[in-house]
Amino acid sequence: DAGVIQSPRHEVTEMGQEVTLRCKPISGHDYLFWYRQTMMRGLELLIYFNNNVPIDDSGMPEDRFSAKMPNASFSTLKIQPSEPRDSAVYFCASSPTGWATDTQYFGPGTRLTVL
Amino acid sequence: LAKTTQPISMDSYEGQEVNITCSHNNIATNDYITWYQQFPSQGPRFIIQGYKTKVTNEVASLFIPADRKSSTLSLPRVSLSDTAVYYCLVGVRNTGFQKLVFGTGTRLLVSP
Repeated sequence: DAGVIQSPRHEVTEMGQEVTLRCKPISGHDYLFWYRQTMMRGLELLIYFNNNVPIDDSGMPEDRFSAKMPNASFSTLKIQPSEPRDSAVYFCASSPTGWATDTQYFGPGTRLTVL
Repeated sequence: LAKTTQPISMDSYEGQEVNITCSHNNIATNDYITWYQQFPSQGPRFIIQGYKTKVTNEVASLFIPADRKSSTLSLPRVSLSDTAVYYCLVGVRNTGFQKLVFGTGTRLLVSP
């Protein structure tokens, strides 16, 4: 298996633009997570899905952020409009079963820079 | 939401044992404690997981006291390649619901 795949790996955009990050989880995994990592706040859980259904989105910072999982093999995280404070590394992770503290497999991340 | 705290950094030498502690006072009753390793420009990678007492695998040991409010990751005989940031991950109970919280991370530097 190729592991969790994220695209793009790097994204540079200007304030006010829409940004879409993509994730393909490991086949057969029931859980998908989106995280944000910054120096100031560390690793933060934004949202997670179970069988394509959003379970907890309380970590989504504000309405500018939205996430979807239209099928078991694809998820998107969208920021609209983007702001400089959204600059961070965004990770997607998937887990085979169980609660979130089951083993998670992380993708390589997308480094987002908002100018 | 109570923080899950770790020492910011630790220094060690090759061949020494390193112990990294995570404090998680509000850990949920039924959740496991998981530790991850992260290298620069990579996603975190699973190291070890446990619920109570002691767990050991080929790379590390995890010690969890009876109250489960802390956990200690033990790396035996570290090498230069163990230089990385280490995170604990727990489910934390807050006002009736559970949240998934990563620790603040410990940057381990192993020197020759």
